[in-house]
Amino acid sequence: LAKTTQPISMDSYEGQEVNITCSHNNIATNDYITWYQQFPSQGPRFIIQGYKTKVTNEVASLFIPADRKSSTLSLPRVSLSDTAVYYCLVGLINDYKLSFGAGTTVTVRA
Amino acid sequence: GAVVSQHPSRVICKSGTSVKIECRSLDFQATTMFWYRQFPKQSLMLMATSNEGSKATYEQGVEKDKFLINHASLTLSTLTVTSAHPEDSSFYICSAEIQDISGLGGEQFFGPGTRLTVL
Repeated sequence: LAKTTQPISMDSYEGQEVNITCSHNNIATNDYITWYQQFPSQGPRFIIQGYKTKVTNEVASLFIPADRKSSTLSLPRVSLSDTAVYYCLVGLINDYKLSFGAGTTVTVRA
Repeated sequence: GAVVSQHPSRVICKSGTSVKIECRSLDFQATTMFWYRQFPKQSLMLMATSNEGSKATYEQGVEKDKFLINHASLTLSTLTVTSAHPEDSSFYICSAEIQDISGLGGEQFFGPGTRLTVL
């Protein structure tokens, strides 16, 4: 699985947009990019997955440049409840031996 | 979405005893389930892949005789921590996979986790 690099932590305020960038320089041609969210003492929750360009769902957007060596998770108008650890994973879509990196701790303040 | 449950959510045991943790897929069948371990302030680490009707596949460094995994049905996998010691205290999380229609991929759904404390 391609190694990923994310910022350790990010602080934000309610109502702001939070953008978390993940670097994955060694991403393979068939790899997908998946983001998970984890609250303290809970299991991770799938947020979004993409292969290229832009993916948007009701929770977030995922931006992937043409070279796919990085990706950016965008959380619009965050609230206090978005405080969590966000993990970026890269791998084959049918390879479910997920390898979690350190993740990014996002803290949203009032 | 699909729901995965774990039982118990929290367990405290004495050193040397064995503890069983159950992982259930409530509204779908899962031929493959996964067990992770997460220490405080650290990321999840995959321990093993549990396959229904066959032996589990353990990751390097995980003792298969200490962490017994049984996947006896399509909705239940169990992890037994045998002769638990304080260093086994951790947050254990399972996940279950749903294959999509194409069979080429799927999605993992995670359980809520089990907090194990060994005294």
